[in-house]
Amino acid sequence: NAGVMQNPRHLVRRRGQEARLRCSPMKGHSHVYWYRQLPEEGLKFMVYLQKENIIDESGMPKERFSAEFPKEGPSILRIQQVVRGDSAAYFCASSAAGQYNSPLHFGNGTRLTVT
Amino acid sequence: GESVGLHLPTLSVQEGDNSIINCAYSNSASDYFIWYKQESGKGPQFIIDIRSNMDKRQGQRVTVLLNKTVKHLSLQIAATQPGDSAVYFCALGGRGVTGGGNKLTFGTGTQLKVEL
Repeated sequence: NAGVMQNPRHLVRRRGQEARLRCSPMKGHSHVYWYRQLPEEGLKFMVYLQKENIIDESGMPKERFSAEFPKEGPSILRIQQVVRGDSAAYFCASSAAGQYNSPLHFGNGTRLTVT
Repeated sequence: GESVGLHLPTLSVQEGDNSIINCAYSNSASDYFIWYKQESGKGPQFIIDIRSNMDKRQGQRVTVLLNKTVKHLSLQIAATQPGDSAVYFCALGGRGVTGGGNKLTFGTGTQLKVEL
C-alpha cells in the first residue's frame, strides 16, 4: 500500500534551467497539494489541485511556477528558469477528500538545489 | 492574518520522560489542528489531529490539548523514546481559515532531542 511517491528525491539544476517535480498521490486519493520548505522553516502552501483542475494556487509565485494534475499520470510542479532562491524542499501531499479536516499524507519530498 | 508560533525551537528530554511541545496561533477562525513529525530527509508524518469542538484527544503515547480561549495547542508524548527525535510541527486549518480544501498553515517547528 504505497504512500505518496515523489521523484526525483534530489534534483540539481543550473540557474536558468527548468525543474520538473513529480508526485503520485496515495491510491484512491484525488486531491493533491504542493508545499515548499526552506531550511529550518515550516512548510508553505503553494497549490491545491484535483484531477485536471487547479482549485487554489494562492501560494504559487506568479511567474515561472506552474502545476498540473492530469487525468492520467502524476501531478507535476514545473519551475522555469530556476534561480538560487528556488532551492528548497518541495513536498507533495494527498488526501481522499477535499474537506478542510481531511488529513494530508505527505511524500518524502524533492530537494531542489540550484547552482 | 494567520500565524503560528512555537514557544521553543529546541526541546531536550531524557529518554523515558514525558515531552510537551507547545504551539500558539492567532486566527480564531481555525477549527482544525494537526501535529506532524518530520525526521531528517523525510516528509511530515501525521501524528494526531483535533477539531475545535474538542479540547483533548489521545492517541498511542500522544495527547493533544487545545485551549481555544488562549489559542494554544500542545502535544504531549509519554515515555519519550530515541525514535521520537525529530522536528514537530503544528499546523492549522479550517473552513474559515483556508476557504476550502486543506490548505494548512504550518508553524516553524520544534526540534525534539531525546538524550539517552
